[in-house]
Formats: sequence, structure tokens, C-alpha cells
Amino acid sequence: DTAVSQTPKYLVTQMGNDKSIKCEQNLGHDTMYWYKQDSKKFLKIMFSYNNKELIINETVPNRFSPKSPDKAHLNLHINSLELGDSAVYFCASSQLSTLHDTQYFGPGTRLTVL
Amino acid sequence: AQSVSQHNHHVILSEAASLELGCNYSYGGTVNLFWYVQYPGQHLQLLLKYFSGDPLVKGIKGFEAEFIKSKFSFNLRKPSVQWSDTAEYFCAVIPTGGGNKLTFGTGTQLKVEL
Repeated sequence: DTAVSQTPKYLVTQMGNDKSIKCEQNLGHDTMYWYKQDSKKFLKIMFSYNNKELIINETVPNRFSPKSPDKAHLNLHINSLELGDSAVYFCASSQLSTLHDTQYFGPGTRLTVL
Repeated sequence: AQSVSQHNHHVILSEAASLELGCNYSYGGTVNLFWYVQYPGQHLQLLLKYFSGDPLVKGIKGFEAEFIKSKFSFNLRKPSVQWSDTAEYFCAVIPTGGGNKLTFGTGTQLKVEL
């Protein structure tokens, strides 16, 4: 069983479109994350949800809107896609703890905006 | 805010050579430290982690890392690399008890030649 899964794996779309990426985890974790990996492989956190509540919201354009219907799912909706949004988006999950917080990553979604 | 530096951006080794990848972090308090590996076209996988105790931690696939608090370092080592170790390696840090914001280094691309 895949611990953290994302769909779709690849997403090619035109500028200006709206798209969503879905993430699900079956690890029973209470916290989920979205990271963006740019063309230089640099990883940066975008959002984090704990028990469906937003707890980390980095400086991300408000075209990006995460939604967590339950603690096992965290979706990312992107409005008015731009060329600079092209990247690999990774979902991750962890059990929030002050001492032993380890994040586990999904397979990534490669978004290409044309 | 914490930051992570990986000084080696690209490393090329022959099979059976020894590996050491540098990682230094900047943060005033205690931290948890991680090394993740990303094989070509794949997602991030946890190699090893340090929370407390013995500063020499062993991970999967023969990797180990040593936490040297006085140097703010967490270097990754492997005595004898294999061609299959070709991948991108990321060091990451999260403050202990300070939320769950994982900060990544810029990554080191390791290529192992036959």
C-alpha cells in the first residue's frame, strides 16, 4: 500500500487554466504538507495542515489554495496558472510531535504550464 | 529562522569510493536533522534521522551521518558507494518543539560511475 499518494503524476496545462492536485495518506498522520520543488531541485514548504487546520502558510500567491476535507487528504488548487508555476509538487505527511516529527513524502506531481 | 547549507552541489565518484556530503545548519536552538534521497524520477525517501542520543546515526543502504553540535554539522557518509546510489541528496532540519517547518538544503547531486 502506498503511504502517501498523489494524483495526477503529470499535469500539462495552458497558462490561465485552473487545476487541482490531490493527496491522500494512509499512515494515520494528523499533519499534511505541500512542497514545491523548482527546476534547480530546491524544495520549499508551501502549506501545512494539522487536523484540517492551516498551520503553515508560506509566502505563496493567493492563486494557490489548499483544502483539507479530512486529516487524510490535502488537495491543492491553483487558479490562473502561470509559467512560473511549473515545478514538481510534493505532498507529505507526519504525526505532529515536538520531538519525533518525521515527514513522509508522496511521489510528486510534475506540473508543466505552457 | 533556520537555514541549511550543502556545499557540494555536484559530486562524481567511482564505484567503491568513499562518500562524504557536507551539511551545515544555522539555528540557535536544538534541532532534529534528516537526510533524504531522491532517486532519478522518484520521490523523496528518508535515509536517516537524528533526534537525540548517539550523534552517529545509521540509516538505510549503508549510509550513516554524524551530528557535531559544535560545528552545526550533520555530514552524510558511506564507506563504499555503488552505481545505484546515483541520486540527489537533501539535508533537512526542523527545530525541536518549534513547529513542523522542515527546511531543506539545496541538495547534492551524486553521480556514481562504473
